Amino acid sequence: DSGVTQTPKHLITATGQRVTLRCSPRSGDLSVYWYQQSLDQGLQFLIQYYNGEERAKGNILERFSAQQFPDLHSELNLSSLELGDSALYFCASSVSPQKNQETQYFGPGTRLLVL
Amino acid sequence: GQQVMQIPQYQHVQEGEDFTTYCNSSTTLSNIQWYKQRPGGHPVFLIQLVKSGEVKKQKRLTFQFGEAKKNSSLHITATQTTDVGTYFCAGLPEYSGGGADGLTFGKGTHLIIQP
Repeated sequence: DSGVTQTPKHLITATGQRVTLRCSPRSGDLSVYWYQQSLDQGLQFLIQYYNGEERAKGNILERFSAQQFPDLHSELNLSSLELGDSALYFCASSVSPQKNQETQYFGPGTRLLVL
Repeated sequence: GQQVMQIPQYQHVQEGEDFTTYCNSSTTLSNIQWYKQRPGGHPVFLIQLVKSGEVKKQKRLTFQFGEAKKNSSLHITATQTTDVGTYFCAGLPEYSGGGADGLTFGKGTHLIIQP
C-alpha cells in the first residue's frame, strides 16, 4: 500500500459524458501527478500540481482539466469523453518536485471504460 | 524536451535466464529511478541512482548508472516468475528546478517469463 488513494476504482460511462477522478496523496506529500496508461502504452504524463498550483503540463488534452485543493487532494476532470479515452489513470504523489524528493508513489489507479 | 528511451519493449525469457533492460536519456540526468509494475498493478518505486558510474544491488537485481549519467540498466539474474511485470526507468534532468523538467518516464520493458 503506497498511501495514495484513488476513487473510483472502476468507471464505465458513455461517449460525450464527463467524469471526475479523485486522488488523495500520501500524508505529507505536496506534489500530485496524473498519468494515463493505455494498453501497451507507457505512462503518459498529463499534469502536475504542487501545493495547490499547477506545476507542469504534459500531454493533456484540452477536454481534460485538473486541480489540487487546499487539503492537497486532487481531481482530474475528463469531459466530452471519446472511446480512445478508455485507459488506466494513475495518480502519484511525491514530497516535492525538488531534487531528491521527487520519488513518486503511485495510487492503485482508476480504470475508465468509455462505451 | 527531454526524452527517455527504453529497450527492449518486450523480453521473453525462460525461468532461470538473466534479463537486462536499458534506458537512455537525451540529456544528462541528475538521477534516475526505476519502477516495477506487476500485471494489473501500479508502478512501485524500486531504487534511485544518483552518482556517475553508480552500481546498486537488490538481491538478484543490479542497477547501473552510466559514467556520463545519460544511461542506465537493470539486470536481473536467474529470473523467477515473481519478476514478471513492466520495468520503467524515470530520469530527472541535471539542470532542473523540478516541475516542467521533472521526472520523465521511459515506455517500459515488459518482462515475460516462461516456466
